[in-house]
Amino acid sequence: DVKVTQSSRYLVKRTGEKVFLECVQDMDHENMFWYRQDPGLGLRLIYFSYDVKMKEKGDIPEGYSVSREKKERFSLILESASTNQTSMYLCASSFPSTSGPSNTGELFFGEGSRLTVL
Amino acid sequence: RKEVEQDPGPFNVPEGATVAFNCTYSNSASQSFFWYRQDCRKEPKLLMSVYSSGNEDGRFTAQLNRASQYISLLIRDSKLSDSATYLCVVKGGSYIPTFGRGTSLIVHP
Repeated sequence: DVKVTQSSRYLVKRTGEKVFLECVQDMDHENMFWYRQDPGLGLRLIYFSYDVKMKEKGDIPEGYSVSREKKERFSLILESASTNQTSMYLCASSFPSTSGPSNTGELFFGEGSRLTVL
Repeated sequence: RKEVEQDPGPFNVPEGATVAFNCTYSNSASQSFFWYRQDCRKEPKLLMSVYSSGNEDGRFTAQLNRASQYISLLIRDSKLSDSATYLCVVKGGSYIPTFGRGTSLIVHP
């Protein structure tokens, strides 16, 4: 089974702290994504990566950065956490849609990291 | 206009009922379509892909209408365990999926 593992299920941080959210997948997927999910707003894409050391901004990248030094690991960084970054953060991975007709590009999600910034 | 729109619900139905959700998308170049299910406080998981000819998986039927740019999900003989949020996902030619905000389903005894 595909496994996407997020390092922390629950975190509580203070305003101004630097926060690292780690995500590791074991399926050799090229694509990795970071979303945040808030009530009434659904899933919003923060950043994604389609290869090692490659990253692209999603819809709401402000206040976040990412790192992909190894194919299996995609980290989300909050340089200076703020209260409006309190949210559920979801990591996902997938093969590219172009990697063969049998691949639908299904996203596999981690269990999520619920971050509270005080 | 949001790229992928869903009625948030909640749809409140009795066990055994048939319920249908629609999802509209704005990008006519979209190529791949999916329904994901998300249980409370859990991560989304793929329910089914949506194919051009429509497809069925047990009690679940998915349809695509490219002309009107919508996809649908039909659930027959609803079970209590079907209670969840159903997310519509659309992908264009790139690898970036766009999520709808989800439709909440509550199946009651």
